[in-house]
Amino acid sequence: DQQVKQNSPSLSVQEGRISILNCDYTNSMFDYFLWYKKYPAEGPTFLISISSIKDKNEDGRFTVFLNKSAKHLSLHIVPSQPGDSAVYFCAASEWNTGNQFYFGTGTSLTVIP
Amino acid sequence: NAGVTQTPKFRVLKTGQSMTLLCAQDMNHEYMYWYRQDPGMGLRLIHYSVGEGTTAKGEVPDGYNVSRLKKQNFLLGLESAAPSQTSVYFCASSYMGSTEAFFGQGTRLTVV
Repeated sequence: DQQVKQNSPSLSVQEGRISILNCDYTNSMFDYFLWYKKYPAEGPTFLISISSIKDKNEDGRFTVFLNKSAKHLSLHIVPSQPGDSAVYFCAASEWNTGNQFYFGTGTSLTVIP
Repeated sequence: NAGVTQTPKFRVLKTGQSMTLLCAQDMNHEYMYWYRQDPGMGLRLIHYSVGEGTTAKGEVPDGYNVSRLKKQNFLLGLESAAPSQTSVYFCASSYMGSTEAFFGQGTRLTVV
């Protein structure tokens, strides 16, 4: 049973606009969340993370929001750039489990110039 | 700066054959992982290691074995390949206590 879900397989956004990628999780014990970005034929690369003690974390154009009561997190990219076109995976972990992360199925983002 | 290197990058196996995937990292990371990625399933953890000589099962360990004889290497073995093991395999590593993992480029394995 998928513990981390990304219900939108794909998303298209115009360059300069905001991209919002969503992720839901079912395990209330998860307390650390990450976003990874993946280009074709490459491995995922770390983008941004957030712990459950926060509800927002920002890094440049990327902001992750966490709503613990809804078991929902989102990644905002502002402004979106063509180079952001990639597959984005969210992942969740329970602290002290040997860094076992559960990944979502990914959302393919296309930023249209 | 190589990071995480996986060998081979592509492989085709016949059902019942065996093979070993090699992962090497040069970042002195304590933790190493093997994931598989399948369409519509995301990345699923097969096995992981928190240090040299130690391994543990992840989410989908059946049909695989691993060994971590040296800190920098993590081997994934398939003793008798099955078509259900057709997948893209990713190795990753991280520092102990860090949540950021560094991934290799992946190995595309097809079992016919």
